[in-house]
Amino acid sequence: GAVVSQHPSRVICKSGTSVKIECRSLDFQATTMFWYRQFPKQSLMLMATSNEGSKATYEQGVEKDKFLINHASLTLSTLTVTSAHPEDSSFYICSARDLGSSSSGNEQYFGPGTRLTVT
Amino acid sequence: QKEVEQDPGPLSVPEGAIVSLNCTYSNSAFQYFMWYRQYSRKGPELLMYTYSSGNKEDGRFTAQVDKSSKYISLFIRDSQPSDSATYLCAMKTNAGKSTFGDGTTLTVKP
Repeated sequence: GAVVSQHPSRVICKSGTSVKIECRSLDFQATTMFWYRQFPKQSLMLMATSNEGSKATYEQGVEKDKFLINHASLTLSTLTVTSAHPEDSSFYICSARDLGSSSSGNEQYFGPGTRLTVT
Repeated sequence: QKEVEQDPGPLSVPEGAIVSLNCTYSNSAFQYFMWYRQYSRKGPELLMYTYSSGNKEDGRFTAQVDKSSKYISLFIRDSQPSDSATYLCAMKTNAGKSTFGDGTTLTVKP
C-alpha cells in the first residue's frame, strides 16, 4: 500500500515555542492531505484539510492562526503549532489521499503520527 | 447524535476466535466504507475498503456493508494475538471527508 511518513515521530518543546511537523507521501501524489489530532483512547479528530497550492480548510473550533498548515507540493504538507502550550500536547496524525488509486483517489493513507509534548 | 456509531468494546477473545466488529451510521449519502487498524502509539493502517453494499474478503478479514440497514461489519477469522489493536470504521460520501467511529479495542489472548 501507499506510504506516508511523518517527521519528527516525537517532539518535546517548551511552552511558547513553535513546532513544525512534516507529512510526506513517499510513493504517490496527493493533492489533499488531512491533519488529525488524537487524544489517548479517543478517535481521530479532523483538524483541517490541506489542498496543494491553496489555503487549508479548518474544522470548526480549530484556530487557523495557531495551527498553520502549508501544502507546498503534491508530496509535502506541514503543520506548525505556534506558541505551543501544554494543552496542545497530543498525537498528531496526517493522512493523504492517493490520486492514482484504482478507487478514484478515495483511499486515505495515514502517517505514523507525531507525539507532541509541551512542557 | 453522531453520524457514525461504533460498538465501544473493549473486546477480549481467545486466540482462534471469530471476531465481529460493527458500526452503524445515519448519513445515507455515505458510499465508501473503510476499516482501519491502529496499534498503540501508531497511525491507523487501512485494512479494508468497500464501495457500496456487499462483502469483501481479504485473507482472514471480511468486510460487510448493508446500506439498507446502515450497518457495516468487519469479521476476523482465526484471530491472532497480533490482531490486538484498536479498529476504526470510517465512511465518506463522494469526494467528501471521512467520518470515523470512536474505535473498538480488541485483545486476542494466546
